[in-house]
Amino acid sequence: EPEVTQTPSHQVTQMGQEVILRCVPISNHLYFYWYRQILGQKVEFLVSFYNNEISEKSEIFDDQFSVERPDGSNFTLKIRSTKLEDSAMYFCASSRTSQNIQYFGAGTRLSVL
Amino acid sequence: GQQVMQIPQYQHVQEGEDFTTYCNSSTTLSNIQWYKQRPGGHPVFLIQLVKSGEVKKQKRLTFQFGEAKKNSSLHITATQTTDVGTYFCAVPLSGGSNYKLTFGKGTLLTVNP
Repeated sequence: EPEVTQTPSHQVTQMGQEVILRCVPISNHLYFYWYRQILGQKVEFLVSFYNNEISEKSEIFDDQFSVERPDGSNFTLKIRSTKLEDSAMYFCASSRTSQNIQYFGAGTRLSVL
Repeated sequence: GQQVMQIPQYQHVQEGEDFTTYCNSSTTLSNIQWYKQRPGGHPVFLIQLVKSGEVKKQKRLTFQFGEAKKNSSLHITATQTTDVGTYFCAVPLSGGSNYKLTFGKGTLLTVNP
């Protein structure tokens, strides 16, 4: 069964450093998403991406965040200058259409020290 | 923005007992989705409800969508230890697009064998 894959599974970084989280969505999906989940809390929407541009973003997704689809398979989330409060699980998801269900990857745990 | 209230926050049951979690919205929903997240895992799609008054069953799980499309429930009959996890409802952006899913805070189910 096709799945969304995310790398790395765990990323440790120093405060102020840049990180790039990588995702490979399901191959025939056209809509891509990033969510985050702070430990013990609910899943929070960050951004959606379609046709090589951002469709929707939340208040969390400020100038420190950016997304890119650098090639035909990868979808990345970059955090320019990480803060302690960026520590969370980051989930990538994809869907075939905007009305279809979203399939989530296993997540990347980001730890900012 | 779209808000959804989910209760209870925690539920501990003895194996074999039933379990129900509820989601409520102040506005009419185009659809509602349910996800399960095992401890340390990622959200896994369970079901999407679209029609007013809709009831869907998956083995021991029963999902209902209210007549006014403002509330939904997930009921598990005769819980098993494999049911352990957090159950989230998720609703799309109020315009009906699934670009952005807003998740409830989730109900953490623990089952005592």
